[in-house]
Amino acid sequence: EVQLVESGGGLVQPGGSLRLSCAASGFIFSSYEMNWVRQAPGKGLEWVSYISSNGRTIYYADSVKGRFTISRDNAKNSLYLQVSSLRAEDTAVYFCARAPQWYWYFDLWGRGTLVTVSS
Amino acid sequence: QSALTQPASVSGSPGQSITISCTGTSSDVGSYNLVSWYQQHPGKAPKVVIYEVSKRPSGVSNRFSGSKSDNTASLTISGLQTEDEADYYCCSFASSGSLAFGGGTKLTVL
Repeated sequence: EVQLVESGGGLVQPGGSLRLSCAASGFIFSSYEMNWVRQAPGKGLEWVSYISSNGRTIYYADSVKGRFTISRDNAKNSLYLQVSSLRAEDTAVYFCARAPQWYWYFDLWGRGTLVTVSS
Repeated sequence: QSALTQPASVSGSPGQSITISCTGTSSDVGSYNLVSWYQQHPGKAPKVVIYEVSKRPSGVSNRFSGSKSDNTASLTISGLQTEDEADYYCCSFASSGSLAFGGGTKLTVL
């Protein structure tokens, strides 16, 4: 089955860190560009970060630049997001989303993992 | 990286057509034919219904169509059905490799 499964979310104190993971299956992971998109409770979608299929090109939203780090391991069919210096406004469901190579849209989404930043 | 502007809500009756607008700037919607639209039902992951302004992915009903004029993109849903009731988000490529989403539009099918 073609799917993306996120994990690693949880409750963390302000200033803390987490490593989110996204396991891909059912397709050739190394052929796709990947993104993280988040959604705060009851709010809209916010793009967070992009990584190219070979991992050489990376982009971040201004709101997370310098605090979040995206990476991937094509041998393990996995995408990661290291989130650090967390703030209350980072509380959200974090989705990983696949983008076909050379395209700028998301054709496959995971179910998301919830990150809650609170003391 | 500013959010695109969408109406907070729209509504229509079964069988009718509705249009959701998505207004950006000359740095995003106006400069690139890279607007996509996503449907999200409560508690579910989003699903793409339109990409590259007007292209429909395989499996998406032809009742969904997209267009763009200057800095504004639009999603039209014709022949409204109860299952179309959901939140809809536009998204555009912006300069410097970033992407911007709209604030979302809640569609109610009366």
